[in-house]
Amino acid sequence: EGQLLESGGGLVQPGGSLRLSCAASGFTFSSYAMSWVRQAPGKGPEWVSAISGGSGTTKYADSVKGRFAISRDNSRNTLYLQMSSLRAEDTAVYSCARGGGDWHYVGAFDIWGQGTMVTVSS
Amino acid sequence: DVVVTQSPLSLPVTLGQPASISCRSSQSLVYIDGNTYLNWFQQRPGQSPRRLIYKVSNRDSGVPDRFSGSGSGTDFTLKISRVEAEDVGVYYCMQATYWPLTFGQGTKVEIK
Repeated sequence: EGQLLESGGGLVQPGGSLRLSCAASGFTFSSYAMSWVRQAPGKGPEWVSAISGGSGTTKYADSVKGRFAISRDNSRNTLYLQMSSLRAEDTAVYSCARGGGDWHYVGAFDIWGQGTMVTVSS
Repeated sequence: DVVVTQSPLSLPVTLGQPASISCRSSQSLVYIDGNTYLNWFQQRPGQSPRRLIYKVSNRDSGVPDRFSGSGSGTDFTLKISRVEAEDVGVYYCMQATYWPLTFGQGTKVEIK
């Protein structure tokens, strides 16, 4: 069964930048769409961004559009989230989740990582 | 955005008794391919969400058969036939038919 392991979280000042990584193992990474999902303290999950298996298609939540960029390196089995112009309301645990093999089912979310905490504060 | 509304938000249950969670969407979740992309997740304290049910009623591998999903269109239900102590946590439904993907507010299941 596949596994996902996030890294790169930490404390950053408002307006700052951070890059998150998600290392995949145990499945053919390039065959699946992937997403980032965040969960603010005490709140429910919020989908942030998705990318197709071949990187040709990306989608973003309105709350992060223009500030965040999703990408992947299939040769390294790694998903990324470049976050810039960070705000206090971006504070959350960020998790990667596996989508379906078909772009129509990006939200399969059958495998999740354990998450990495991002805190935006001065 | 498609709004997904769960009820109740809190569900105290007695061990061994059934439990039911409702999930309603603001639009039909039937996609043009005929599938309905509605998932259910369980989140235990301190853990990431775990998928229990996909496409309304398909139980994931390893999920006990006391969990079942049903519904169509805009109305969906997750049922636990006999609640066990390990079922404590927050349950979320999520629609994956429309962008952006959206989650319900969550239902906290606790033991009375």
